[in-house]
Amino acid sequence: GAVVSQHPSWVICKSGTSVKIECRSLDFQATTMFWYRQFPKQSLMLMATSNEGSKATYEQGVEKDKFLINHASLTLSTLTVTSAHPEDSSFYICSARDPGANSGANVLTFGAGSRLTVL
Amino acid sequence: DAKTTQPTSMDCAEGRAANLPCNHSTISGNEYVYWYRQIHSQGPQYIIHGLKNNETNEMASLIITEDRKSSTLILPHATLRDTAVYYCIVRTNTNAGKSTFGDGTTLTVKP
Repeated sequence: GAVVSQHPSWVICKSGTSVKIECRSLDFQATTMFWYRQFPKQSLMLMATSNEGSKATYEQGVEKDKFLINHASLTLSTLTVTSAHPEDSSFYICSARDPGANSGANVLTFGAGSRLTVL
Repeated sequence: DAKTTQPTSMDCAEGRAANLPCNHSTISGNEYVYWYRQIHSQGPQYIIHGLKNNETNEMASLIITEDRKSSTLILPHATLRDTAVYYCIVRTNTNAGKSTFGDGTTLTVKP
């Protein structure tokens, strides 16, 4: 099946620095990828939709200048947390539509997630 | 997306069937029922989906009531590795990424 890879799987950074998380579709092309955030003991929250070759679409309440998304190729989307603060510490997960799913289905395949800790 | 309601938590004995319910009384005719699960500290994993007919794959079975207002995910022989949070999502087949994840059901499989 389709595989989405995220890197790094975990990262620790100092407050005020920026952190980049990569999301790659390994065996398929993804014109659209999705970024989620998950705080401890909470559910996933969609942050933004990453579109290859165009600007990302952000969900209400998500600061686009703080969470920079770049989707420069059909297999790579990046999320950069700029000027990170402790409250940005979270589990960030990306996903893409599985092209091998049954026709008519919109099945998502997810990366393993990236755990960010801001000190 | 239609709103879903799931029990917060459930326990199941290893080797027994785990039946996870989901209520989606406001589901519309073109909305599918999707199930995902998330094992601790991992990304979610797709399990199964259906529109109105019951479905079965190598992981689970999905039973959808005739009025489509509720469904049940069945893990026929639960193992300890099935301990996870199970999410029921109801949505159309457009714009898949904007799936709304509720709180899900935490299934604990016990020896």
